[in-house]
Amino acid sequence: GQQLNQSPQSMFIQEGEDVSMNCTSSSIFNTWLWYKQEPGEGPVLLIALYKAGELTSNGRLTAQFGITRKDSFLNISASIPSDVGIYFCAGQLYGGSQGNLIFGKGTKLSVKP
Amino acid sequence: NAGVTQTPKFRILKIGQSMTLQCAQDMNHNYMYWYRQDPGMGLKLIYYSVGAGITDKGEVPNGYNVSRSTTEDFPLRLELAAPSQTSVYFCASRGRGGEKLFFGSGTQLSVL
Repeated sequence: GQQLNQSPQSMFIQEGEDVSMNCTSSSIFNTWLWYKQEPGEGPVLLIALYKAGELTSNGRLTAQFGITRKDSFLNISASIPSDVGIYFCAGQLYGGSQGNLIFGKGTKLSVKP
Repeated sequence: NAGVTQTPKFRILKIGQSMTLQCAQDMNHNYMYWYRQDPGMGLKLIYYSVGAGITDKGEVPNGYNVSRSTTEDFPLRLELAAPSQTSVYFCASRGRGGEKLFFGSGTQLSVL
């Protein structure tokens, strides 16, 4: 099946550092979404991107929809302990089944106070 | 504002037992989904539904069944539980024309 390559798989950073993670694919996507999952909970939507080149912020989080429509990145600035969790990218394929998202394998973020 | 509600939160099954994972949403969403999440593997789509009375297979449907008799409810049935079905199961929903999925808090299932 279609795959999203999400990297890095995990990150261990110091509080206050900036974080960057990305997702790439060989396929074209209509939509990119970034989710955060905390332990024992379901993923929660952080940012949604709908067109190539779009750059969207949500507080300390910034995400971009790649120009080629095959990639997206998420940046977190000035990390804090509550940023800990697993971050997933998800995309809706161009021409894919309506609303059926493909998920990356996640980036596990650990923040050391 | 409940959103997507899943029950139970945890369950242990013996091999061969059956059970139903419940999912309900109160947002009048047409689209509902069942995913399983295995460690380090992201989310895999099991089944989905685009409206009451309509269901379709996702990427990993074997060993599962679903029904959608109402807009609100989308139960997932395991008929003969196998150890390979040990996982965390998430139900999700979205409205028509939107891509934003809203997730429940998950059901952690162990088959021993």
